[in-house]
Amino acid sequence: ETGVTQSPTHLIKTRGQQVTLRCSSQSGHNTVSWYQQALGQGPQFIFQYYREEENGRGNFPPRFSGLQFPNYSSELNVNALELDDSALYLCASSLDRAPSPLHFGNGTRLTVT
Amino acid sequence: GESVGLHLPTLSVQEGDNSIINCAYSNSASDYFIWYKQESGKGPQFIIDIRSNMDKRQGQRVTVLLNKTVKHLSLQIAATQPGDSAVYFCAEKTSYDKVIFGPGTSLSVIP
Repeated sequence: ETGVTQSPTHLIKTRGQQVTLRCSSQSGHNTVSWYQQALGQGPQFIFQYYREEENGRGNFPPRFSGLQFPNYSSELNVNALELDDSALYLCASSLDRAPSPLHFGNGTRLTVT
Repeated sequence: GESVGLHLPTLSVQEGDNSIINCAYSNSASDYFIWYKQESGKGPQFIIDIRSNMDKRQGQRVTVLLNKTVKHLSLQIAATQPGDSAVYFCAEKTSYDKVIFGPGTSLSVIP
């Protein structure tokens, strides 16, 4: 069974640039959630994708957007990067939307300078 | 609004002792709760979960207790080991769309 994989592991961008982060879900999982984790804090929900559609969104501006592909992999796009976007971005997959544990990747560490 | 919080930000225990990590939640509509362990440089790792129709669930060396009356969740780790040192998060699921995490408790095991 393949777990959740994310790429890249680390990334440095300049304020104002755009970034795309990628996630491959665990085998058999059709739901992907993205979280932002600032240093020393708990993960904050960005949004979730189910069957290629956004299904729930947290308190993040529209410059945070995503996609889910037919193979259930996903992308997180952030436009007009700000310094406060520096964080660990976590992808998690799960089976359907029913109560079941999220399985996380090890994240992408984004630094905005 | 919805929130999940922890009573203690840090916890130090002697190796071999039992650990108890507490968590408060505010949304009485939450029906599913999860504990995660996060080690440095890694993503959160699932430990144990519990549904709101239960008040206790046991795993290997871990037990989760749910008290819906006072909206309280706890994680008990038996015979704590150095490998248990990590940050522990409680999380709640309020609907079919998102899991909300608390701020975390850092557990440090003293050899």
